[in-house]
Formats: sequence, structure tokens, C-alpha cells
Amino acid sequence: EPEVTQTPSHQVTQMGQEVILRCVPISNHLYFYWYRQILGQKVEFLVSFYNNEISEKSEIFDDQFSVERPDGSNFTLKIRSTKLEDSAMYFCASTLQGVVYEQYFGPGTRLTVT
Amino acid sequence: QKEVEQNSGPLSVPEGAIASLNCTYSDRVSQSFFWYRQYSGKSPELIMSIYSNGDKEDGRFTAQLNKASQYVSLLIRDSQPSDSATYLCAVPLRGAQKLVFGQGTRLTINP
Repeated sequence: EPEVTQTPSHQVTQMGQEVILRCVPISNHLYFYWYRQILGQKVEFLVSFYNNEISEKSEIFDDQFSVERPDGSNFTLKIRSTKLEDSAMYFCASTLQGVVYEQYFGPGTRLTVT
Repeated sequence: QKEVEQNSGPLSVPEGAIASLNCTYSDRVSQSFFWYRQYSGKSPELIMSIYSNGDKEDGRFTAQLNKASQYVSLLIRDSQPSDSATYLCAVPLRGAQKLVFGQGTRLTINP
């Protein structure tokens, strides 16, 4: 069964460093998302991406964040200068036909900023 | 009112009983509703989707939707210890390109 994959599973970085989180969505899906979950809190939307552009972003997704689909399979989230409060689980998700349809989540990347 | 609201629990149910999880949402024109299961330290796993009023059954799971009351529920029959997890209700709001999640209900099935 097709699944979303994410790498790395755990990333430790120092405050101020850049990180890139990688995702491979399900191959025939067209809509891609990043969410994050701070420990003990609810899942929060960061950004949605369709047709090579951002379709919506949250207040969390400020200028320090960017997304890219560098090729036909990868979808990346970059944080330019990490802060302590960026420590969280980051989940990539994809769906075939848009947000009203089932979204499938990857296993997540645990980001720890020290 | 929160966009998607769930009782955070914990909800404790004996093995073999029916677990009932509830969710309310604020946008009365929402069209689709999802239940995810999340084990501790893991990602959300889609277990049910429902789009129209009434019941939808899939194995031991039944989702119930009442759009007039803006209410969606998940029933788990014959609860097993492996059903112990946090259950997340998620709704895409009108005009938005995102899922909005509830806080989640932590469910514990006691052997």
C-alpha cells in the first residue's frame, strides 16, 4: 500500500541553524501539506501546496519557513534559522484531490532545537 | 467557540465494550469529516472518513454524522487493548486548504 515517507526520523540542531525536512508524498497525489505537533498539543497546520505553489499558510509559517518541490517526488520544508520553540514533530501529508478528501500522513520528523 | 472541539478525556472503557468518541465543529457548511488514531509518539493514522449524514461502518468502527447539530462521533465496538490511543477529529473548514484538528480524546481500553 502506498505511503508517505519522511526523512530524517529525528533531527537535532542548534538554535540558529538551518534544517531541511524531507518528504516523499504518495506518488499520484497532487496536494501536499506540512503540519506540526508540539509535545502534548494538538496537530497544527503549517502550509498547503498545490501545482508548485503555496495555496495556504498559517500564522506560524513566517519568513523563516519555506517549502519546495525540487523534483517529481520530494517535498521539503526548510527552516532557515531555528528557534527553541520550533522543537516539535513535523508531519507531511498528501491527498489526491484536495483538502476535502482523505489526507495521509507520513511518520513524522522529530525536530529538537537545542 | 473552538473550530473543532473534543473532550480530551481520558476515556476509560473495559475490553469488549463500546467506546464512544464525540466531536463538534463550528463551520456548519463543512463537507467532510475525518477520524484519525494517534499512538503515542506516532503520526495520525486515518481510520474513518464521512461525508453525509447518518452512519458509516467499517469493521468495528462506526462514524456518525449529524450536520444539523454539527456533531460527528466515532463508535468502536468490541474494544481491544490495541485501540488504546488518542483519537483525533479533523475537519476542513469552508474555503480553507487545511485540516483543523481537535485536541484529541485519549482512550484507554482496560483488559
